[in-house]
Amino acid sequence: DQQVKQNSPSLSVQEGRISILNCDYTNSMFDYFLWYKKYPAEGPTFLISISSIKDKNEDGRFTVFLNKSAKHLSLHIVPSQPGDSAVYFCAATYNQAGTALIFGKGTTLSVSS
Amino acid sequence: EAGVAQSPRYKIIEKRQSVAFWCNPISGHATLYWYQQILGQGPKLLIQFQNNGVVDDSQLPKDRFSAERLKGVDSTLKIQPAKLEDSAVYLCASSLSGRPYNEQFFGPGTRLTVL
Repeated sequence: DQQVKQNSPSLSVQEGRISILNCDYTNSMFDYFLWYKKYPAEGPTFLISISSIKDKNEDGRFTVFLNKSAKHLSLHIVPSQPGDSAVYFCAATYNQAGTALIFGKGTTLSVSS
Repeated sequence: EAGVAQSPRYKIIEKRQSVAFWCNPISGHATLYWYQQILGQGPKLLIQFQNNGVVDDSQLPKDRFSAERLKGVDSTLKIQPAKLEDSAVYLCASSLSGRPYNEQFFGPGTRLTVL
């Protein structure tokens, strides 16, 4: 049973436009959500996070939105750049689980110039 | 600051053979994690150490997988004997402490192919 779902395996966007990556979760106990970015042959790197007490967190070109009632979060990248081309993983955790992260399957973003 | 180091980067073995992976976390990081990432999937936690003690190994296939972190610093993950379905990237990560929401830093991973 997948607790964190990224239903779009891939997304293609033109440089300068907005990229929107989506993530759904099923476990209502999750209270912290993260996005990781992964380039080929490298480990995932932390991008941005959001606590369940917030509905939005922004860091430069990256904004994460959380809709708790819908159990849905999204990552917006504006403007998209070719260097953003990577696999993006959504992850979730909750206090009782310690710090274990539960990851989605990932979305491959391709930004063309 | 040096990142999480892993070796080897690539390993090809035949089924039923044994293999070991090594991880050196970021200096001062008390918590160390091993994840398995099968192609097309997200990373899945295998085991979590806090210093040299095991915090969570509920998803570790203990009949064939073992891991240790003897001095609370570097760690090894072993598979014996390997099966075809063990083909995956094995990622090591570390964080400052076991407190929730501490950022996890990942190493580059070891890509294992079992033939």
